[in-house]
Amino acid sequence: KAGVTQTPRYLIKTRGQQVTLSCSPISGHRSVSWYQQTPGQGLQFLFEYFSETQRNKGNFPGRFSGRQFSNSRSEMNVSTLELGDSALYLCASTGDNYGYTFGSGTRLTVV
Amino acid sequence: GIQVEQSPPDLILQEGANSTLRCNFSDSVNNLQWFHQNPWGQLINLFYIPSGTKQNGRLSATTVATERYSLLYISSSQTTDSGVYFCAVELMDSNYQLIWGAGTKLIIKP
Repeated sequence: KAGVTQTPRYLIKTRGQQVTLSCSPISGHRSVSWYQQTPGQGLQFLFEYFSETQRNKGNFPGRFSGRQFSNSRSEMNVSTLELGDSALYLCASTGDNYGYTFGSGTRLTVV
Repeated sequence: GIQVEQSPPDLILQEGANSTLRCNFSDSVNNLQWFHQNPWGQLINLFYIPSGTKQNGRLSATTVATERYSLLYISSSQTTDSGVYFCAVELMDSNYQLIWGAGTKLIIKP
């Protein structure tokens, strides 16, 4: 059974650019959530999607957005990148047993 | 909001030692999970344990929901156990998000 796939693994972007990250959940999982991890703030919740609907959003500015497609794959977008957006972005999928399974993450560096 | 506190923050042990990591949470929870984050950033799900006791090889976990704490036991530590261990909880009203502790950084010396 394939795990959660995140692409790309690494990204380097310049301030002011935008970026799109992708997450493919475990087959059959309909819930996808996103987390940001930084050394200073730890792991923080960004948003969660279920059947293409955003059910919850964390305390992040509007520059952070996401969506989910009918095949449950999800993307998150960050516009007008700032240096502080440099982080490890982790995606998780959740099935009926409510356990969260995470992908390997996308490490974003903003220069 | 709910507080999730992990202790100790850092732990250095010799290979073969046993250890106990603790997670305290300040409110009733619907879900509690333990994760191990390896040096490459991958979060590996160790246990989904909102209550009770589970064992998986050298690792075991116990959650006492009524007293709002969970323990992760690692026996006969190996160098590959090194990394950061996180406890994460989901509230009873199930707002579909995990709230994380700050983690315990474990270093196992050969």
